[in-house]
Amino acid sequence: GAGVSQSPRYKVAKRGQDVALRCDPISGHVSLFWYQQALGQGPEFLTYFQNEAQLDKSGLPSDRFFAERPEGSVSTLKIQRTQQEDSAVYLCASSFFSSAANVLTFGAGSRLTVL
Amino acid sequence: GENVEQHPSTLSVQEGDSAVIKCTYSDSASNYFPWYKQELGKGPQLIIDIRSNVGEKKDQRIAVTLNKTAKHFSLHITETQPEDSAVYFCAASPPRGSTLGRLYFGRGTQLTVWP
Repeated sequence: GAGVSQSPRYKVAKRGQDVALRCDPISGHVSLFWYQQALGQGPEFLTYFQNEAQLDKSGLPSDRFFAERPEGSVSTLKIQRTQQEDSAVYLCASSFFSSAANVLTFGAGSRLTVL
Repeated sequence: GENVEQHPSTLSVQEGDSAVIKCTYSDSASNYFPWYKQELGKGPQLIIDIRSNVGEKKDQRIAVTLNKTAKHFSLHITETQPEDSAVYFCAASPPRGSTLGRLYFGRGTQLTVWP
């Protein structure tokens, strides 16, 4: 596609429910990042994929968070047993290269509200 | 890790005036500095970036300056228009480890341009 597509755009979950957020990056993009953006804050890094390999998951806040990109294209971020503090916008970004100065293109995000 | 500070958090200007947003970073190895514009309900959109081998870059009404010695960089918008109203984020990218291209964001500046 022309841009990074994320779904669902909005998700409301009851505390304790599991959620899955999908990211469809730009075709051919090697690098894929997940970021978490709390209200009024800048995006915070969660995890990074180079093709299908998850090279960095140091930003995942707890073991309730899990991400995968099994075929090196679409990625899913899963949050188990959601808590209120998980409420945020989850942004996916992709880039063609894997380099220190590559341009990231962001999706519109998935807004998660945990009640 | 890298720490990016951004000021001011809010900025109001009259249409036609200039706006300046400033950021500092902590990791002297950082070599890529993008600026993103985020409108309500949308993902961050890259508006301009600069690499550490240049001191200034301009694109129409937008310019960015970089002072590597002082570890700070700034966004300058001239002849502001109401459609420039948005949240602006600065970011820095250090070339370390396996997560090349990871961005560290500032907390954002809410720019409001009054007609």
